Amino acid sequence: NAGVMQNPRHLVRRRGQEARLRCSPMKGHSHVYWYRQLPEEGLKFMVYLQKENIIDESGMPKERFSAEFPKEGPSILRIQQVVRGDSAAYFCASSPIGTEGTEAFFGQGTRLTVV
Amino acid sequence: QKEVEQNSGPLSVPEGAIASLNCTYSDRGSQSFFWYRQYSGKSPELIMSIYSNGDKEDGRFTAQLNKASQYVSLLIRDSQPSDSATYLCAGYGGATNKLIFGTGTLLAVQP
Repeated sequence: NAGVMQNPRHLVRRRGQEARLRCSPMKGHSHVYWYRQLPEEGLKFMVYLQKENIIDESGMPKERFSAEFPKEGPSILRIQQVVRGDSAAYFCASSPIGTEGTEAFFGQGTRLTVV
Repeated sequence: QKEVEQNSGPLSVPEGAIASLNCTYSDRGSQSFFWYRQYSGKSPELIMSIYSNGDKEDGRFTAQLNKASQYVSLLIRDSQPSDSATYLCAGYGGATNKLIFGTGTLLAVQP
């Protein structure tokens, strides 16, 4: 059973371009979390999704950032018009259900560098 | 007040000693807690889950939960240099019951 798959592992974008980060959850998992991590800092919650539904996007910047988790295919975190401050590691985690107590497992992360 | 708080460290212990990592949480409704280990440049890895008051042991690791004090801890016995990593405490909380992380404690085990 494959784990959580994220791609690409490394992404370089010029300022003003768009970045698309993909997360395929573990088989049977229907919930996905996205977190951002700056060097030497903790995991900052961004968004929590269920298939075809955004449950909580309170950690997402109001502009330029969006996320989706369609019925078929991976979850996508999209960053439009990237700026240098968007450079970070972006991790997704998946869980089978969204109830209290469910264990969540992480992908390898995408390291975004904006030049 | 942050929902899950940890001392950022670094916590330095000699090889073979017991490392004690601590976490407090603010949401009294939270029922389950998790410890993740993150090596530098890698993704977090789940190492312990705890759901009820008391201790839960797994090899050299013991997780402790005290719901009355809203306190979670992780003890690592016989610490090894390979245990050197950042340890993240997490719990479910907030209106949407999302998984929330503390900022992590950096553990350094000195040979």
